[in-house]
Amino acid sequence: GESVGLHLPTLSVQEGDNSIINCAYSNSASDYFIWYKQESGKGPQFIIDIRSNMDKRQGQRVTVLLNKTVKHLSLQIAATQPGDSAVYFCADLSGGSYIPTFGRGTSLIVHP
Amino acid sequence: GAGVSQSPSNKVTEKGKDVELRCDPISGHTALYWYRQRLGQGLEFLIYFQGNSAPDKSGLPSDRFSAERTGESVSTLTIQRTQQEDSAVYLCASSPAIMTDTQYFGPGTRLTVL
Repeated sequence: GESVGLHLPTLSVQEGDNSIINCAYSNSASDYFIWYKQESGKGPQFIIDIRSNMDKRQGQRVTVLLNKTVKHLSLQIAATQPGDSAVYFCADLSGGSYIPTFGRGTSLIVHP
Repeated sequence: GAGVSQSPSNKVTEKGKDVELRCDPISGHTALYWYRQRLGQGLEFLIYFQGNSAPDKSGLPSDRFSAERTGESVSTLTIQRTQQEDSAVYLCASSPAIMTDTQYFGPGTRLTVL
């Protein structure tokens, strides 16, 4: 079946580096994508979203890039801080659906 | 302001027992979701409530699972005759309207079935 997946389960970076977390999707009808951050023992927290009519969206220290040609989504975190250590999930919705499909998540570890 | 709250935060139960999990959404949020998160996995959709409309129960894994919500207030997720594979974190989220609004998640209830 079609699903949203992540390339890397764990990403280790040094404090101050830029981090890139990737996500692949296979549903060509996907038109809305969301990134969530989940810290240990907490629920997911919305970070940023993007619709399929855009290829880039920026937030505070975060940028989401969408490549519809290869069905790839990435989350870039600038100047990564120890507080960014968490599991990051992408989620996908399509065609007006309100039921998202979540990937397994990537664990980001930031070393001081 | 208060966010989404869930209780209990942890629940340990014996196989075969029933459990009830509670979610208090943000006041005024019409949409409410329940998800299950197994260890090291993404979120699995269970059920969706939107206002007074009939809930979407398409994600419930078996008839042992049920959920209720009165109006736009508290929701309860009930698991009957719990099995070990029900062990997971159960997350609740609410949003002002539909999925394309930002979802606000509660901290979850960690259920352990022995």
